[in-house]
Amino acid sequence: EAGVAQSPRYKIIEKRQSVAFWCNPISGHATLYWYQQILGQGPKLLIQFQNNGVVDDSQLPKDRFSAERLKGVDSTLKIQPAKLEDSAVYLCASSLEGGWNTEAFFGQGTRLTVV
Amino acid sequence: DAKTTQPNSMESNEEEPVHLPCNHSTISGTDYIHWYRQLPSQGPEYVIHGLTSNVNNRMASLAIAEDRKSSTLILHRATLRDAAVYYCILREGAQKLVFGQGTRLTINP
Repeated sequence: EAGVAQSPRYKIIEKRQSVAFWCNPISGHATLYWYQQILGQGPKLLIQFQNNGVVDDSQLPKDRFSAERLKGVDSTLKIQPAKLEDSAVYLCASSLEGGWNTEAFFGQGTRLTVV
Repeated sequence: DAKTTQPNSMESNEEEPVHLPCNHSTISGTDYIHWYRQLPSQGPEYVIHGLTSNVNNRMASLAIAEDRKSSTLILHRATLRDAAVYYCILREGAQKLVFGQGTRLTINP
């Protein structure tokens, strides 16, 4: 079974620039999550999709972050404009459904450095 | 979100059992207890989960206290590859998967 694919693996940008991350979840997985993990901290949930609808985006800084999941499959997360504090690993995960009895599968993440 | 409390770090020796504790005194009746671990430079991976009864799988065992206010992840025979950050998470009916700080496990050869 292919895992969750993310690209790019690494990205370096200057502050105020824009950046986008792409995620391809495991085939058939209805739920997709984006997390932000700052060095030394646990992952922080940014947004959760169920198919192509948003279930939770309470922690997403909506003035600069946006995410979409067209057709309920692939997803992109965008930051515009980036700030220094956005330097982190951005993790995508998927699960069959969002219930409490299912496991989530994570990609390897995209490491973003904002200089 | 229901909260969990874990030690910041633990250390053990290779080929010995490891018991990783987690306190969750505010757990509700429908919260599942999930454990994930994160190896260096990788995304988290699922380890095990349970509701009330103890659970075993090929990776670990999960022992849940009778009052469900605490649980213990047991690695029966630690290897160097088990060095990771281990997260104890309460999964609510709202479906969120919320990570805390976790326990950094060091395995000595």
